[in-house]
Amino acid sequence: AQTVTQSQPEMSVQEAETVTLSCTYDTSENNYYLFWYKQPPSRQMILVIRQEAYKQQNATENRFSVNFQKAAKSFSLKISDSQLGDTAMYFCAHAGYSTLTFGKGTMLLVSP
Amino acid sequence: EPEVTQTPSHQVTQMGQEVILRCVPISNHLYFYWYRQILGQKVEFLVSFYNNEISEKSEIFDDQFSVERPDGSNFTLKIRSTKLEDSAMYFCASSEGWETQYFGPGTRLLVL
Repeated sequence: AQTVTQSQPEMSVQEAETVTLSCTYDTSENNYYLFWYKQPPSRQMILVIRQEAYKQQNATENRFSVNFQKAAKSFSLKISDSQLGDTAMYFCAHAGYSTLTFGKGTMLLVSP
Repeated sequence: EPEVTQTPSHQVTQMGQEVILRCVPISNHLYFYWYRQILGQKVEFLVSFYNNEISEKSEIFDDQFSVERPDGSNFTLKIRSTKLEDSAMYFCASSEGWETQYFGPGTRLLVL
């Protein structure tokens, strides 16, 4: 069974600064994907970024990037130039064949 | 940009009543999923559906739950006799392959 652990229940950052959210996972599968989803107060789940486990290059989407350490089973999310609209719950997730397993989430608060 | 839609956005029901939650997945997607999120907790997998049958289900998905694809566009989750602990946000998701799932906005179910 897969497990996903997010050890930071809450984080705060000031606007324009950089913040890193941590995630570790455990899996028995060789081929898998990792994701970060954002859940704003509206509670919609929005895909932020994804990483394919067989790719060594870290994924990047505009201000969002990941640090994927496959051997350490670590998958952190870096948000650069934080904006007020980044305030949300962030969930790390692992996709083995078919299902998504989520972590408990990290609440990120961006302040002016 | 195509997106997953869900109706209703909110549903209030009495304990013991049946509810049907509806989802329209992205049109070219072949895999469909239901997840739930109890307030303040992480997102939990319920069931996945492919080729007109359930491909995987979790322990939560007991005999009280059923899924159906009644036509070419809708994907429904039925809870036969609701319990107080079924109160949660229910998310539908769809994917083209098994890798990346896109979520709908959710249905907030409250059982009284």
